[in-house]
Amino acid sequence: GDSVTQMEGPVTLSEEAFLTINCTYTATGYPSLFWYVQYPGEGLQLLLKATKADDKGSNKGFEATYRKETTSFHLEKGSVQVSDSAVYFCALSDKGSQGNLIFGKGTKLSVKP
Amino acid sequence: NAGVTQTPKFQVLKTGQSMTLQCAQDMNHEYMSWYRQDPGMGLRLIHYSVGAGITDQGEVPNGYNVSRSTTEDFPLRLLSAAPSQTSVYFCASSYFSGREDTQYFGPGTRLTVL
Repeated sequence: GDSVTQMEGPVTLSEEAFLTINCTYTATGYPSLFWYVQYPGEGLQLLLKATKADDKGSNKGFEATYRKETTSFHLEKGSVQVSDSAVYFCALSDKGSQGNLIFGKGTKLSVKP
Repeated sequence: NAGVTQTPKFQVLKTGQSMTLQCAQDMNHEYMSWYRQDPGMGLRLIHYSVGAGITDQGEVPNGYNVSRSTTEDFPLRLLSAAPSQTSVYFCASSYFSGREDTQYFGPGTRLTVL
C-alpha cells in the first residue's frame, strides 16, 4: 500500500542554519503531497502542499518540490528561527482514497538561539 | 468561524468505561476524519466520513465507532476503553473535492486509559 518515509529525528540546529528534512513516498497513483507542522501542545497545521509533479510548495520560508522521478518531497528552509521548533509531518493523499492522508512518523526540530 | 473544535481536551478513563469524543466543524466540509497520534507512529486514520450518513473504516478502526448524522458533527465512541487506546486523538475536515485536499485539524483530545 501507499506509504511515507521521512528522516528520523530529532534534529537540532542553531538559529539561521539551513534545514532539510527528507521525505520519500510510495504510491500507486498520482498523490498530492503535504507538509504539516505541529507546534507544542497544538493540532496540525498545513505548511505547504503540491498536487502534481514538479510543483513547488512554499510558505513561511519553507519550500518543497514534488519530484516524481525520485518519489521525494524534501522540506527545506534557508535560515531557521527558534520559532520553527516543532514536529514536521510529511503526508500524501491519493485522490482515489477520498482524501485520506497517510502520514510519515514525524521529525522533531529544535532550533537553539 | 471556529474551524474544527474538539471536546474534551483531556480525559482519563478506567479500563472498560465508555465515552464519546466530540468533533464539530463550521466550514460546511463534507469530509471528516479521526486520527490517533502515538509516539514514533505518526498519525493513523481511525474512521472517516465523506458526508452525512456515510462512514468508513481507516487503518485502525477496532474498538471505535462513529456516526455522521449532520454535516457539522462527527463523534468518536469508545465502547469499552482499553489501555492500548491511550493516545492523542485528532479530528480533521476538508472539502470533498479532487482539487482541494487541505485538511483542517482540531486541537486534539489527550486520552489516558488506566
